[in-house]
Amino acid sequence: DAGVIQSPRHEVTEMGQEVTLRCKPISGHNSLFWYRQTMMRGLELLIYFNNNVPIDDSGMPEDRFSAKMPNASFSTLKIQPSEPRDSAVYFCASSLRLEFGTQYFGPGTRLTVL
Amino acid sequence: GENVEQHPSTLSVQEGDSAVIKCTYSDSASNYFPWYKQELGKGPQLIIDIRSNVGEKKDQRIAVTLNKTAKHFSLHITETQPEDSAVYFCAASSRGRRGGSQGNLIFGKGTKLSVKP
Repeated sequence: DAGVIQSPRHEVTEMGQEVTLRCKPISGHNSLFWYRQTMMRGLELLIYFNNNVPIDDSGMPEDRFSAKMPNASFSTLKIQPSEPRDSAVYFCASSLRLEFGTQYFGPGTRLTVL
Repeated sequence: GENVEQHPSTLSVQEGDSAVIKCTYSDSASNYFPWYKQELGKGPQLIIDIRSNVGEKKDQRIAVTLNKTAKHFSLHITETQPEDSAVYFCAASSRGRRGGSQGNLIFGKGTKLSVKP
């Protein structure tokens, strides 16, 4: 299996622009997670889905952030408008099941907002 | 909600020595405790996990212990090798603010382990 696939791997954009991060989970996995990693705050869970349905989005920092999972093999995390403080590495992870399921992380997208 | 504290933040050992990383958690309802290893430029990778009904688990040079009464768990790496150098994260499951399941993982801040040859 190819593992969790994320694109792009690096994104540099200017403040105010819309940013869309993409994730393809491992085939057959039912749960998908979006994390943000910064030096200051560490790894933070933003939102997670189970069977394509958002379960908990309480980690989403602001209304500027939104996430969708239109089908079992694709998810997006959108930031509109982006701000410099959104600069971070964003990880997507998937697991076979929600509870006790090993979360497999993608390689991440390094976002820089100028 | 759940809070996970991890210590130390950095750890330097000589090759062949043991390394121990400790974590504490606050939510007594947490029942799943994974450990992840993150190498530079990569996503975290699960190395070992333990559930609340088990006190200790071993996998070759890696072991994890859990003390539910004290709400702390530890990672032990024996006979360390240079390739063990990485950032290690502990995590504890949580129901989160809206989730009904234990799918929410709360991560510690990480320990940067350096193994000197």
